[in-house]
Amino acid sequence: DTGVSQNPRHKITKRGQNVTFRCDPISEHNRLYWYRQTLGQGPEFLTYFQNEAQLEKSRLLSDRFSAERPKGSFSTLEIQRTEQGDSAMYLCASSLVTRSGNTIYFGEGSWLTVV
Amino acid sequence: GEDVEQSLFLSVREGDSSVINCTYTDSSSTYLYWYKQEPGAGLQLLTYIFSNMDMKQDQRLTVLLNKKDKHLSLRIADTQTGDSAIYFCAERVNRDDKIIFGKGTRLHILP
Repeated sequence: DTGVSQNPRHKITKRGQNVTFRCDPISEHNRLYWYRQTLGQGPEFLTYFQNEAQLEKSRLLSDRFSAERPKGSFSTLEIQRTEQGDSAMYLCASSLVTRSGNTIYFGEGSWLTVV
Repeated sequence: GEDVEQSLFLSVREGDSSVINCTYTDSSSTYLYWYKQEPGAGLQLLTYIFSNMDMKQDQRLTVLLNKKDKHLSLRIADTQTGDSAIYFCAERVNRDDKIIFGKGTRLHILP
C-alpha cells in the first residue's frame, strides 16, 4: 500500500497526558500537512512542511502542539498536556508540488479521545 | 478572506442525479477540489478542477465552475447507495498553497 499511513488509528488518553501521532506520507511527496477535524466540521489546517521545513502554523496550533518532520519523510504531531477540547480526528496528508498542481492525498486519520 | 460554504445536507433518490453546490470567496484560488468521506474514514480525493476550466467530467462525476460567481458544483449521475457519504468542497489558496475546506454536505440516498 503506497498511500498515506497514520498511526495509531485510535487513541484514548486521560486529560493531562501527552500523545504522539505519526504520519508516513506517500514516498516521493515533498509536502506534508496536518489537519484537525471535529464532528460536523470540515478539516481545519494546522501546519505543513516542505521537505523538513515547517512553512506555516495555524493559530489553532497552541504551544501544546508540536510537529516535526526531521528527515523530510515521516512526521510526528505531539500534543502535550491534552485537554478534552483536543478530542478530534487528526488527519495527515501529503502531496507532490509541481508546476502543474498540488493534489493532496489524505490518510485515514488518527482519532483522539481525551477523557 | 478564505471561506468555503456548502449546504449541509442533501437527500436524493437512488438512480437520480445528485448536485452538490459550493461557494468560495478567495479569487486567487487556483485549484478546487471535491473530496468524499465515509463514516470513520479519511478523505478520498474524487476530482479537482483548475480555475481556468469551466467543466470537468470523469465517469459519473461532472464538476462545473463559475469563476465569476465563485460557484462550484459536483454532479453525480445515477446516484448509488455507495455514494452515501459527506462531500467536501475545498480550494487551494494560491498565495500560501494550503487547502481550505468547507463543512461538508452529507448526501443521503433514498431507496
